Amino acid sequence: GAGVSQSPSNKVTEKGKDVELRCDPISGHTALYWYRQSLGQGLEFLIYFQGNSAPDKSGLPSDRFSAERTGGSVSTLTIQRTQQEDSAVYLCASSLDSGVGFSNYGYTFGSGTRLTVV
Amino acid sequence: AQSVTQLDSHVSVSEGTPVLLRCNYSSSYSPSLFWYVQHPNKGLQLLLKYTSAATLVKGINGFEAEFKKSETSFHLTKPSAHMSDAAEYFCVVTSLYGGSQGNLIFGKGTKLSVKP
Repeated sequence: GAGVSQSPSNKVTEKGKDVELRCDPISGHTALYWYRQSLGQGLEFLIYFQGNSAPDKSGLPSDRFSAERTGGSVSTLTIQRTQQEDSAVYLCASSLDSGVGFSNYGYTFGSGTRLTVV
Repeated sequence: AQSVTQLDSHVSVSEGTPVLLRCNYSSSYSPSLFWYVQHPNKGLQLLLKYTSAATLVKGINGFEAEFKKSETSFHLTKPSAHMSDAAEYFCVVTSLYGGSQGNLIFGKGTKLSVKP
């Protein structure tokens, strides 16, 4: 597609339920990132996928969080047993990876999924 | 290790006056630096990026930023603010090298208000 697409745009869930957030990156972008933005906070890195390499999961805040990327394209972020502190906007970004110069391209962000845990 | 500090959480200017949003970074490796803007209820949009080419970088909407290695700064400026510039601005650092390559390190953001 023309941009990074995230769904749903808004999600309200009850505490303790599982949620899945979807990211559809720009076609051909091999790098995909998940971030979250909590109220009054900066963006927090969660996880990074690069091609077929093992993902960098160093930013996931707990084992309730997991993400996968199927076929090098669509990614799903799953939060199990949601807690109120998980309420945030979850942003996905993708980037064209040319190898040596990957960071030259910048990153395109989706509009995010606003998750509210009640 | 990399980090980025946005020195002001909130900046308020009058329409038509200059804008200065300050950003300092720390990086053990040659950094790439970005400024992103986020309008209310919108996704992040890239304003400009520095990737070891020219130190003065021009971006969209009249914004520019200057990479100053000696000061480890990458401040964002615009000569004349417009009402439509009101938004939150994020300074971002990343690097090709080091254990965290690919990670974008975001500042906490600066909210820009523009008064008529």
